[in-house]
Amino acid sequence: DAGITQSPRYKITETGRQVTLMCHQTWSHSYMFWYRQDLGHGLRLIYYSAAADITDKGEVPDGYVVSRSKTENFPLTLESATRSQTSVYFCASTQDTIGYGYTFGSGTRLTVV
Amino acid sequence: KNEVEQSPQNLTAQEGEFITINCSYSVGISALHWLQQHPGGGIVSLFMLSSGKKKHGRLIATINIQEKHSSLHITASHPRDSAVYICAVRFSNSGYALNFGKGTSLLVTP
Repeated sequence: DAGITQSPRYKITETGRQVTLMCHQTWSHSYMFWYRQDLGHGLRLIYYSAAADITDKGEVPDGYVVSRSKTENFPLTLESATRSQTSVYFCASTQDTIGYGYTFGSGTRLTVV
Repeated sequence: KNEVEQSPQNLTAQEGEFITINCSYSVGISALHWLQQHPGGGIVSLFMLSSGKKKHGRLIATINIQEKHSSLHITASHPRDSAVYICAVRFSNSGYALNFGKGTSLLVTP
């Protein structure tokens, strides 16, 4: 089915380990985003990408790295996971057209122990 | 500063009641989105608004651009409407990223 696929759905990792969350979209949307959702904060932007090889920081980028070598993939890497990065992570995409809607992935629940 | 405020934070209603969730934002926008998230679930887009009013089934969304305010109404609420409703705004001055309210947790009891 077309849409956004996030993997894994659930992940438990240890402090200090590197972990990568995957996001794949089938619509060739130009824009892709990574958000984290935490109680009391709502969704906050980590990184976004306007096109392949173009990425930029959002509100809470520290401790995260992204890349976008292909339009359809936008992986998020936690270089050295910390407990404060325990969260639910959502990937989203949209087209660079006024009035275009946004599509969200199903989320990845990450626990850092 | 680009801010999105939602109220109330939590809402409990009895089945059949009319429900209103409010969203206010700080500066000019390109569009406002209402989203729904069921417990443990993904995020689904309900409406995208830049002016006026939209209706889909029992859900109605309105926006007043001059007052920088939007409302989501649910008529004849049902327990299956229980979810978190999130207001998200694309500010005119911040590209294509969405800015989110903290959400309204709605529980509809039979």
